[in-house]
Amino acid sequence: AQSVTQLGSHVSVSEGALVLLRCNYSSSVPPYLFWYVQYPNQGLQLLLKYTTGATLVKGINGFEAEFKKSETSFHLTKPSAHMSDAAEYFCAVSSGYSSASKIIFGSGTRLSIRP
Amino acid sequence: GAVVSQHPSRVICKSGTSVKIECRSLDFQATTMFWYRQFPKQSLMLMATSNEGSKATYEQGVEKDKFLINHASLTLSTLTVTSAHPEDSSFYICSSGGQNEKLFFGSGTQLSVL
Repeated sequence: AQSVTQLGSHVSVSEGALVLLRCNYSSSVPPYLFWYVQYPNQGLQLLLKYTTGATLVKGINGFEAEFKKSETSFHLTKPSAHMSDAAEYFCAVSSGYSSASKIIFGSGTRLSIRP
Repeated sequence: GAVVSQHPSRVICKSGTSVKIECRSLDFQATTMFWYRQFPKQSLMLMATSNEGSKATYEQGVEKDKFLINHASLTLSTLTVTSAHPEDSSFYICSSGGQNEKLFFGSGTQLSVL
């Protein structure tokens, strides 16, 4: 069984400040990990994913995440927040990435950016 | 790139009516389509997995007779909410497996049942 826990349902940072969104996972098999962003009334957009190999993963819009097996974490970071980063962010885990693999989502973290 | 087109984006219906939501894969074949539901300020919850040409697999607690899923072709999957009630009001999103190990999501359908 797999699960995802996102710590903090709401995170607020100042424009230009570091963004850190926390995600911990549980998986009985080597996980595939994802971060998605959802803007209001829109579908999900993939930010980045970890499958195998390098544990530091770079994604779109300046975001990156590091897979830490010892900590079962996959926190999302961005060095400098922009106003356009305000959105809902979802961490997700899967046992694979074939077309038949289910993705289990975390509860989401709403990111607000203060001017 | 590959795109999943979901329609309608927003629908308002009366209680007791049925609503059909379509998801089309535009330039690839989607053997599998996932249907999710998202309540306000909550995460996406997987409702069911549809496979082309076979019956959908529903997650625990999801009524298969209420949420009818049809995946008759490799490019089209539909979700029909039958006899909709206000508690069915939600945001419904489809996704498919696809190229380059990436899932493609539709833009979602906001259903409001009066």
